[in-house]
Amino acid sequence: EDQVTQSPEALRLQEGESSSLNCSYTVSGLRGLFWYRQDPGKGPEFLFTLYSAGEEKEKERLKATLTKKESFLHITAPKPEDSATYLCAVDNQGGKLIFGQGTELSVKP
Amino acid sequence: GAGVSQSPSNKVTEKGKDVELRCDPISGHTALYWYRQSLGQGLEFLIYFQGNSAPDKSGLPSDRFSAERTGGSVSTLTIQRTQQEDSAVYLCASSLAAGLTDTQYFGPGTRLTVL
Repeated sequence: EDQVTQSPEALRLQEGESSSLNCSYTVSGLRGLFWYRQDPGKGPEFLFTLYSAGEEKEKERLKATLTKKESFLHITAPKPEDSATYLCAVDNQGGKLIFGQGTELSVKP
Repeated sequence: GAGVSQSPSNKVTEKGKDVELRCDPISGHTALYWYRQSLGQGLEFLIYFQGNSAPDKSGLPSDRFSAERTGGSVSTLTIQRTQQEDSAVYLCASSLAAGLTDTQYFGPGTRLTVL
C-alpha cells in the first residue's frame, strides 16, 4: 500500500536553531514529491517539487532533498514566521496526491 | 493573478441536509481536484477532473458524495444527507494538466460543520 509518513509530528525550535523535517514514502512508482506549507485556517501553499533521487531545491531558509526512500526539508536559521504545518505528498498515479500527516513547526523568538 | 477560490468559506448544516461546495480554479488550469482534511488526519483525495475526460471518483467515501464540473471550469461538490462524520475542511486544487506531475495549487478551503 502506498504510504507517506512524516516525522516528527511536532517540532519546537528557537529562532536561529536549524533542523530538519523528514518524509519517508513507500510508493509503487514515484512521479514526484511535493512539499507544502499550511498556515492555520488556510489552504496548503506550494513550496517545492522533487522528481528524482539526488535532486535538491532551495528557497530562502528552506532546502528540500530527495532520496529513493525519503525526503528532508532542512530549515536553516528559522524565524518565527516560519511557524506552520509542513506537508509532504507524493504523486504516483498522475494526479492523486498521497499526503503525510504533516509536521507542525513552532519557532519561538 | 487570481488563485483558486472556494465558497462558502464556512458552512454549518444540520444532519440530513444536503450541501453544495463551490470551487473556481485558476484560469487556464485543466485539472481540478477535491480533497478532504479532517481533524487529526491528513489530506484525503476525493475526486479529480481532467479536461473533458470522465472524472476519477475513486476517493469518494460514499454515494452521498458527488461532484461535477461545468464548462471545464467551476466545480461543485455535493454532499447529500450529511452526517456528522462529514465535518471537515474541503479543499479544492487545480493544475495545468493532470498526469504530468503538475503542481497542484490549493484554495483556502470550505470548513463544513454538521450538527
